[in-house]
Amino acid sequence: GAVVSQHPSWVICKSGTSVKIECRSLDFQATTMFWYRQFPKQSLMLMATSNEGSKATYEQGVEKDKFLINHASLTLSTLTVTSAHPEDSSFYICSARLYNYGYTFGSGTRLTVV
Amino acid sequence: SQQGEEDPQALSIQEGENATMNCSYKTSINNLQWYRQNSGRGLVHLILIRSNEREKHSGRLRVTLDTSKKSSSLLITASRAADTASYFCPNNAGNMLTFGGGTRLMVKP
Repeated sequence: GAVVSQHPSWVICKSGTSVKIECRSLDFQATTMFWYRQFPKQSLMLMATSNEGSKATYEQGVEKDKFLINHASLTLSTLTVTSAHPEDSSFYICSARLYNYGYTFGSGTRLTVV
Repeated sequence: SQQGEEDPQALSIQEGENATMNCSYKTSINNLQWYRQNSGRGLVHLILIRSNEREKHSGRLRVTLDTSKKSSSLLITASRAADTASYFCPNNAGNMLTFGGGTRLMVKP
């Protein structure tokens, strides 16, 4: 089946540094990928929609200069959390749409900013 | 809000019992999907039911859809401890998913 591989699965970084999260579609082309954030015991909140070869569309309240999204190829989308702060600590999940079947999700990245 | 809303928010049952959770949505849909999320993990697609279907089965899962009431239910029969997870039926509109709070299911051994 269609798989989205997300890396890293967890990362700890110092406040003020940047962290890059990658999502790769392994056996299909993902023209659109979605990035979600999930705080403990809360639901998934859509952050942005990334389209291959174009600028990402950010949801209201999500800082595009802080959460940089790049979708340069049909199999790779990246989310970079710039100048991370402790309040950015969260679980980040990517997803790709599978036509006529639904969506497939990455395994998530647990980001802890200390 | 266009998100799917799951009910109940939390459900605790004994292993072997059946678990039923419900979902309501607000917009018209082409299909509705149920997902499972184990704690600290990504989401796993469980089942998709199309708007012209009323019931669908997959193993121990049974999903119903009532488009007139804009509601769906997920039944897990003969539950196992491994079914402990959160279950979501996100709203699927505008080519994206928006999530409600989910149902947190705990199956006690």
